[in-house]
Amino acid sequence: EPEVTQTPSHQVTQMGQEVILRCVPISNHLYFYWYRQILGQKVEFLVSFYNNEISEKSEIFDDQFSVERPDGSNFTLKIRSTKLEDSAMYFCATVVLAGGHNEQFFGPGTRLTVL
Amino acid sequence: AQKVTQAQTEISVVEKEDVTLDCVYETRDTTYYLFWYKQPPSGELVFLIRRNSFDEQNEISGRYSWNFQKSTSSFNFTITASQVVDSAVYFCALSEDFQKLVFGTGTRLLVSP
Repeated sequence: EPEVTQTPSHQVTQMGQEVILRCVPISNHLYFYWYRQILGQKVEFLVSFYNNEISEKSEIFDDQFSVERPDGSNFTLKIRSTKLEDSAMYFCATVVLAGGHNEQFFGPGTRLTVL
Repeated sequence: AQKVTQAQTEISVVEKEDVTLDCVYETRDTTYYLFWYKQPPSGELVFLIRRNSFDEQNEISGRYSWNFQKSTSSFNFTITASQVVDSAVYFCALSEDFQKLVFGTGTRLLVSP
């Protein structure tokens, strides 16, 4: 069965550094999402991406965040200047419209630790 | 506005007990989807079920069953004869017609031998 993959599985960075989290969606999927889960808390929506542009973003997704599909396959989340509070698990999710139903597929997540 | 409430923060049971995890949702849309995900200690989100708003039939999959009641805006999840491997955090989520998922705060289930 096709899978969404994410790299790296764990990233450790210093406060103020830039990080790029990568997601490889399933090939025929059209909608892409990033979610964040701070340790012990719920999963929160960050941003959705469709047709090469942001379709919706949450108030968490401020100017330090950006997303893109640089090569038409990878889907990336960039955090320009990391803060301690950015430490979290970041999940990529992709959606295909299968028979009119909303099929959601999550990647395994990237654990980001900001020191 | 969308909202998902999982009032049970943590449930502890002994193996072979049945357990029900509650989920109450709010939405203004008539077309929406409800989900349950399992998050084991390893951290990934494991998809369990998707139900659309037009299908109120209850579903059973092995030891798992789901009860969807639009009248009470609830989508409860029951594990029959629980096992230690069922120990995890379980999230209920809502999506309005191909949009983002809104998650509840999760219920931590601890199954002891």
